[in-house]
Amino acid sequence: EAGVVQSPRYKIIEKKQPVAFWCNPISGHNTLYWYRQNLGQGPELLIRYENEEAVDDSQLPKDRFSAERLKGVDSTLKIQPAELGDSAVYLCASSLGRRGVEETQYFGPGTRLLVL
Amino acid sequence: AQSVTQLDSQVPVFEEAPVELRCNYSSSVSVYLFWYVQYPNQGLQLLLKYLSGSTLVKGINGFEAEFNKSQTSFHLRKPSVHISDTAEYFCAVSGPLAGGTSYGKLTFGQGTILTVHP
Repeated sequence: EAGVVQSPRYKIIEKKQPVAFWCNPISGHNTLYWYRQNLGQGPELLIRYENEEAVDDSQLPKDRFSAERLKGVDSTLKIQPAELGDSAVYLCASSLGRRGVEETQYFGPGTRLLVL
Repeated sequence: AQSVTQLDSQVPVFEEAPVELRCNYSSSVSVYLFWYVQYPNQGLQLLLKYLSGSTLVKGINGFEAEFNKSQTSFHLRKPSVHISDTAEYFCAVSGPLAGGTSYGKLTFGQGTILTVHP
């Protein structure tokens, strides 16, 4: 079974440029998460989708960050414009999506972003 | 709201020695507890989890953890480490989401880098 797929694996951009990350969750997983992991820190949740609905985006900086999951499968996270402080690893995770039940989240390898 | 504190940022240890990585959490509600491992340039892999029942949880790669409710701890242990265990380890808690209908919001600690020396 394929795991969570993310691309690109690495991205270097100049500040003020836009950037996008793509995630394909495990087949059959309805819930998708985007996390940001700063250097030396644990991941922090940015947004959680149940199917195509964003059900928790309280930590997403909405002035420059946007996300979509149009068909309830793969997802894109965008930053526009990027700032120096956005340099981090962006992790995507997925889980089955069963209400009322704790679920294990499966993580992709992440996209390492460097903003110069 | 919940929080997680990993008490050691780095733990060096010799191969075949035992190791304990410490984790304390705080929460006003019942939580689920997890340990994840992250190898260099890879995503997080679940080692083990505590949901309910026995407080001693066994995971993959010979790791185990013990849930201690009175001390709000969930320390990770391995009796004999290998070079291949060198990685960063994250403790995490999962608490109820808004509306209390399901658990899914993981809060992570800052990580402990385990370095196993030959």
